[in-house]
Amino acid sequence: EPEVTQTPSHQVTQMGQEVILRCVPISNHLYFYWYRQILGQKVEFLVSFYNNEISEKSEIFDDQFSVERPDGSNFTLKIRSTKLEDSAMYFCASNGDVSGNTIYFGEGSWLTVV
Amino acid sequence: SQQGEEDPQALSIQEGENATMNCSYKTSINNLQWYRQNSGRGLVHLILIRSNEREKHSGRLRVTLDTSKKSSSLLITASRAADTASYFCATSTDKLIFGTGTRLQVFP
Repeated sequence: EPEVTQTPSHQVTQMGQEVILRCVPISNHLYFYWYRQILGQKVEFLVSFYNNEISEKSEIFDDQFSVERPDGSNFTLKIRSTKLEDSAMYFCASNGDVSGNTIYFGEGSWLTVV
Repeated sequence: SQQGEEDPQALSIQEGENATMNCSYKTSINNLQWYRQNSGRGLVHLILIRSNEREKHSGRLRVTLDTSKKSSSLLITASRAADTASYFCATSTDKLIFGTGTRLQVFP
């Protein structure tokens, strides 16, 4: 069974600090995503990434957020200056074909901003 | 928005009973996917049904899709305590948009 892996599984950070969440998508996939889920709420789309650039982003994905695929395997989400309301589970996902294939999710990175 | 809305929000049943969850959405889709989430865990893909399909089976799961009504249902037959989780439908064009989820509790 193919697997998306995420690190760290849990991170606690001080408000205002920068955080980088890392993901290793499935190796032959071309489309990558970040989603977040605030505790007790629904899963929200943040950003999609294809061909080394952002293809779509939501209103949540403001200037504090950025994504990068630095080395052809990792896919990172950076939050520049964390706020309390950034506390959430962040899910990475990947897809081989945007039109009809299964999107696979990682186990998530739980971010707590204090 | 093509957001899916699940119904019911919460469902409690006894082991052995069937559980049916419904999902409605607003816009045209390529496919619809159902995911399961145990508390505090990741999203596990259950089943994908394409817009030109009407019904699909996988083990104890049966999914239907009615594109004219923009609705889908997930049926879990002969439920087990281990099926206790939240279940989400997600509609897909170039990204997934998740519904609000149904919290299923199966009592032994």
